Amino acid sequence: AQRVTQPEKLLSVFKGAPVELKCNYSYSGSPELFWYVQYSRQRLQLLLRHISRESIKGFTADLNKGETSFHLKKPFAQEEDSAMYYCALSGASGSARQLTFGSGTQLTVLP
Amino acid sequence: DTGVSQDPRHKITKRGQNVTFRCDPISEHNRLYWYRQTLGQGPEFLTYFQNEAQLEKSRLLSDRFSAERPKGSFSTLEIQRTEQGDSAMYLCASSRYDSYTGELFFGEGSRLTVL
Repeated sequence: AQRVTQPEKLLSVFKGAPVELKCNYSYSGSPELFWYVQYSRQRLQLLLRHISRESIKGFTADLNKGETSFHLKKPFAQEEDSAMYYCALSGASGSARQLTFGSGTQLTVLP
Repeated sequence: DTGVSQDPRHKITKRGQNVTFRCDPISEHNRLYWYRQTLGQGPEFLTYFQNEAQLEKSRLLSDRFSAERPKGSFSTLEIQRTEQGDSAMYLCASSRYDSYTGELFFGEGSRLTVL
């Protein structure tokens, strides 16, 4: 069975401070990990995926297979980063994108 | 807006009634997914289609739930004899079969309240 755990439901940081949203997963094979984000009154959208190893809006995430983690980080948070963030795992063979989502972390960046 | 569209956005119904939701995916996307999201939780996979074929169903999809995608275009999700536990946001998403990013494009959801 595959599972995604986001231990923090709420996270508040001040503008300019570093932010880290934690994600741990459970999966026996080789997972694909994603971060999806939902801004206020907007639809859920992809932020980044571990395979691309890119930085989006200043966010990065590294897959650590030893610790089964995929934490999302940004060195200097901005107010516009306030949103709900979901970590998601795709353990499918590649034939489908059945995602298992965590319960989400609501990030609030304070001025 | 050429994104995924869902209708209705909100539905209030009485227990025992049937409800149907519609999803129109992005036109060139041949994969379509239904997810359910309850308060405080992330989306949970229900089912997915590739073109008109329903290829996978979650255990969450009880026999009161049925999804169709005739002609491989729009999809409907019907819930028969609704129960209060069915109250949730029903999300539709679509993607291309050959997408190298694996990105799912979500609709805004249909919120169901069962009284």
